[in-house]
Amino acid sequence: NAGVMQNPRHLVRRRGQEARLRCSPMKGHSHVYWYRQLPEEGLKFMVYLQKENIIDESGMPKERFSAEFPKEGPSILRIQQVVRGDSAAYFCASSPQMGSEQFFGPGTRLTVL
Amino acid sequence: DAKTTQPNSMESNEEEPVHLPCNHSTISGTDYIHWYRQLPSQGPEYVIHGLTSNVNNRMASLAIAEDRKSSTLILHRATLRDAAVYYCILRREKKSSGDKLTFGTGTRLAVRP
Repeated sequence: NAGVMQNPRHLVRRRGQEARLRCSPMKGHSHVYWYRQLPEEGLKFMVYLQKENIIDESGMPKERFSAEFPKEGPSILRIQQVVRGDSAAYFCASSPQMGSEQFFGPGTRLTVL
Repeated sequence: DAKTTQPNSMESNEEEPVHLPCNHSTISGTDYIHWYRQLPSQGPEYVIHGLTSNVNNRMASLAIAEDRKSSTLILHRATLRDAAVYYCILRREKKSSGDKLTFGTGTRLAVRP
């Protein structure tokens, strides 16, 4: 059973471009979580999704950021018009049900030039 | 959410036991104590969790104080691969509004050969 997969592993964007980060949860997991880790800081929760539904987006910035988890395919975290402050490692996690262990992917490291 | 307090850093010698403390004086009766760790340049990984009783698994042991206001993660024989940031996290049982992990600053464990 493959673990949580994230791609790309590294992403470089110029200011104003769009960044799309993809996360494929573990097989059988329908709960997906996105976290962000700014340089030299701890991980911060961004959003929690269950197939086709956003359950908790309390950690998402109000503008430019969106997330989806369609019925088919990976979860996508989309950042429009990136700024330098968006440079961070973005981690996705999945779990089979609420409250159970979360399995993390290797992360996508976004660098905004 | 209830807060946890951990030392910023600790050091250990290889093949010796390590005791990583965590204080959670405002823990509520339905909060589970979870531990995750993050190795350098990787996503976090689950270590162990418990509610009231001490717990053991292949990775570690978790000792929970009788009043539940503190807990200790025990690595029985530290290896160089155990060098990581260890996070103590409280998770409320069956939160209907969401299921995020709230990471603090954690304890950075260094293991000396």
